[in-house]
Amino acid sequence: EPEVTQTPSHQVTQMGQEVILRCVPISNHLYFYWYRQILGQKVEFLVSFYNNEISEKSEIFDDQFSVERPDGSNFTLKIRSTKLEDSAMYFCATQAGDNSPLHFGNGTRLTVT
Amino acid sequence: GEDVEQSLFLSVREGDSSVINCTYTDSSSTYLYWYKQEPGAGLQLLTYIFSNMDMKQDQRLTVLLNKKDKHLSLRIADTQTGDSAIYFCAVIDATNKLIFGTGTLLAVQP
Repeated sequence: EPEVTQTPSHQVTQMGQEVILRCVPISNHLYFYWYRQILGQKVEFLVSFYNNEISEKSEIFDDQFSVERPDGSNFTLKIRSTKLEDSAMYFCATQAGDNSPLHFGNGTRLTVT
Repeated sequence: GEDVEQSLFLSVREGDSSVINCTYTDSSSTYLYWYKQEPGAGLQLLTYIFSNMDMKQDQRLTVLLNKKDKHLSLRIADTQTGDSAIYFCAVIDATNKLIFGTGTLLAVQP
């Protein structure tokens, strides 16, 4: 069964540094999402992306965050000037159509020290 | 906005049935989902139900939907130790975002 692939599986960074989290969507999927799960808390929506632009973003997704799909395959989440509270699991999800289920990757655990 | 609630913890014995419950607030949800998360792992789509159905069965899994009460449940028959995980209910809100519940930790005792 096709999978959503995320890299790296674990990223450790120092406060203030920039990180880029990568996602390879399922090949025929058109809608892309990033979600975040702080340890022990709910899975929270960050941003949705369709047709090479952001469809919707949450309050969490401020100017520190950006997304892009630079080469038509990888879907990336960039976090600038990381803070301790950015430590979380970041999940990429992709969707074939707007009435299809979301398929999630295994996540990237980001640890900011 | 959409609010999705679940009980936090359920403990069952191996071989028993498990029932995990979920309530939601937005009646416009067209699809309702159950995801499973094993420790340190990603979110695995288990099953989903369309809002015009009231029941869906898939092997050991049965999903029941009561739209009037905005209540969704997941029944796992013959629960195994490998079913131990966190189970998330998730619904599509009015802006087509997937909103997750708080998650229910299922502990299966041998």
